Amino acid sequence: QSVSTQPPSVSAAPGQKVTISCSGSSSNIGNNYVSWYQQLPGTVPKLLIYEDNKRPSGIPDRFSGSKSGTTATLGITGLQTGDEADYYCGAWDSSLSAGVFGGGTKLTVL
Amino acid sequence: QVQLVQSGGGVVQPGRSLRLSCGASGFTFSSYGMHWVRQAPGKGLEWVAIIYHDGSNKYYADSVKGRFTISRDNSKNTLHLQMNSLRVEDTAVYYCARQGPGSYYFDYWGQGTQVTVSS
Repeated sequence: QSVSTQPPSVSAAPGQKVTISCSGSSSNIGNNYVSWYQQLPGTVPKLLIYEDNKRPSGIPDRFSGSKSGTTATLGITGLQTGDEADYYCGAWDSSLSAGVFGGGTKLTVL
Repeated sequence: QVQLVQSGGGVVQPGRSLRLSCGASGFTFSSYGMHWVRQAPGKGLEWVAIIYHDGSNKYYADSVKGRFTISRDNSKNTLHLQMNSLRVEDTAVYYCARQGPGSYYFDYWGQGTQVTVSS
């Protein structure tokens, strides 16, 4: 069960900004909070953003989250090579009574 | 500090059963909802199941409904996933994860455990 669409990949140069979109429906993103996770190669996923736009302690303000209607967006500014990872959005789906993730987006910092 | 330490997993034949466990420490386990999330080789994250803090409610992904059972023992700070009638497509790394306070998100994750279903 996927939330819906994330771009499979995005890329940008070091120091630049990138955005990753996550589109869903009224039963998930439209009416429930969205969270974002970073998974560096070979590691456990890490919470980046919760409740649409809040950052846990220790997450730099280079990472931001926003939401409009049924689409959520993760923004990363000042890109670093260490940001190369897979990024996933997640939400609860009230119609399914199930959690759902986006398909994931691979970020390449050129 | 919050820790989720997983055990169980391994290689099992299709149709057999396996039980995963997740030991929690560093927080009041009985106050938090808990989840299982899995990741098949080379694939994305897939939510598997949730159990409420007091065990009163459980929900499952359609892909595991009727075969997997999530449970918890708050007296032992332990979460379990009983997996029956395993299929090749259940092969994945399984993570336990703590739900953040107040809403649906995962603030702490276990280290992951590999489950391989193969004949």
